[in-house]
Amino acid sequence: DSGVTQTPKHLITATGQRVTLRCSPRSGDLSVYWYQQSLDQGLQFLIQYYNGEERAKGNILERFSAQQFPDLHSELNLSSLELGDSALYFCASSVSSGGSSGANVLTFGAGSRLTVL
Amino acid sequence: GQNIDQPTEMTATEGAIVQINCTYQTSGFNGLFWYQQHAGEAPTFLSYNVLDGLEEKGRFSSFLSRSKGYSYLLLKELQMKDSASYLCAVFSGNTPLVFGKGTRLSVIA
Repeated sequence: DSGVTQTPKHLITATGQRVTLRCSPRSGDLSVYWYQQSLDQGLQFLIQYYNGEERAKGNILERFSAQQFPDLHSELNLSSLELGDSALYFCASSVSSGGSSGANVLTFGAGSRLTVL
Repeated sequence: GQNIDQPTEMTATEGAIVQINCTYQTSGFNGLFWYQQHAGEAPTFLSYNVLDGLEEKGRFSSFLSRSKGYSYLLLKELQMKDSASYLCAVFSGNTPLVFGKGTRLSVIA
């Protein structure tokens, strides 16, 4: 158990639908990151939050949004789902944001596997 | 921009040594990370290098040359459980970790 909790583990839905993925970071970590991993693709960075505020944005589609709540858990909302959105979505957390490399070691959750039919 | 290259696949024999290379071209550099990822599972942290040279951690070692934009992960005394993908990632300081596509290592008997 890495200490990063993601729910649900598996999700099957239809095109056009909307889903919410949830992540609780490791205790003490203030930064939360969302990554997408498709078949044969590397981990693609989507978005980062630090202590409740958006810190960095990657290749996140406009149909996707995220937020981090005061208790530091985060949610990733995916809407108007398409077949190509089928992927593993990982949440990761770290102690801080920026600064030394050591403080930016990412701890990953087990992932949410989304299948869009 | 960011560009990280690793071989797609490698095969090695149980008990042997394997070296997985990674080259990178990034707009900034604050450290290079290696992660291990078993199929369908979360990536787990192996090591990171900030300065040039070799970092050793048991059966795993990682090397960095910043002037060459080059790193390698060395796995000794390979075991079947080492069959996994190995991800090279660069931290530039201002943006989150950028990952390469990973090297899928198969360990055979």
